[in-house]
Amino acid sequence: QKEVEQDPGPLSVPEGAIVSLNCTYSNSAFQYFMWYRQYSRKGPELLMYTYSSGNKEDGRFTAQVDKSSKYISLFIRDSQPSDSATYLCAIRGGTGNNRKLIWGLGTSLAVNP
Amino acid sequence: DGGITQSPKYLFRKEGQNVTLSCEQNLNHDAMYWYRQDPGQGLRLIYYSQIVNDFQKGDIAEGYSVSREKKESFPLTVTSAQKNPTAFYLCASSSQQMNTEAFFGQGTRLTVV
Repeated sequence: QKEVEQDPGPLSVPEGAIVSLNCTYSNSAFQYFMWYRQYSRKGPELLMYTYSSGNKEDGRFTAQVDKSSKYISLFIRDSQPSDSATYLCAIRGGTGNNRKLIWGLGTSLAVNP
Repeated sequence: DGGITQSPKYLFRKEGQNVTLSCEQNLNHDAMYWYRQDPGQGLRLIYYSQIVNDFQKGDIAEGYSVSREKKESFPLTVTSAQKNPTAFYLCASSSQQMNTEAFFGQGTRLTVV
């Protein structure tokens, strides 16, 4: 079993839709949960950073962590064509070797006008 | 503007040649990282450095070398020992207080011809 699993998509939605992107992970020691957005041929951009469980909101983006289920989500409200990109989840433990960042493969999202 | 600059954006190398990728940051970050991104494989850590004059191997360091003589600079050399060097290379940085790679450069696409 991979440490982080992420459905690669592609996911195609109409403009204005609510988008749900998800990752599952296997190691309960993970404590830090991140979402990055990557446009084609560009470097990733940190979107959301969450420690432990709970929700975090930033504008149209909400990150959710459920440690009991080992499941993290990114919700995008009122999606826009400019949101079309690949979304990467990344997870990190707390100390020592667990500090290595574990990456999902990314989900490709297309928002159609 | 603060950020990370990678150069060149595109690089072509003949087989058997070494090539050096540049990464410079003006964010005053202590930690710097090199990743490789291949289709279907996600981001893989090559080397990282948490302080000047010190660096550690990541998951796929074979065939690569780095130096960290200045806080601002973390160049990556792809040597002829790297069997499959064609890839998209990404440099990232973070401060000591961050628990994730906070900023990425725009990447260098290396192609072996």
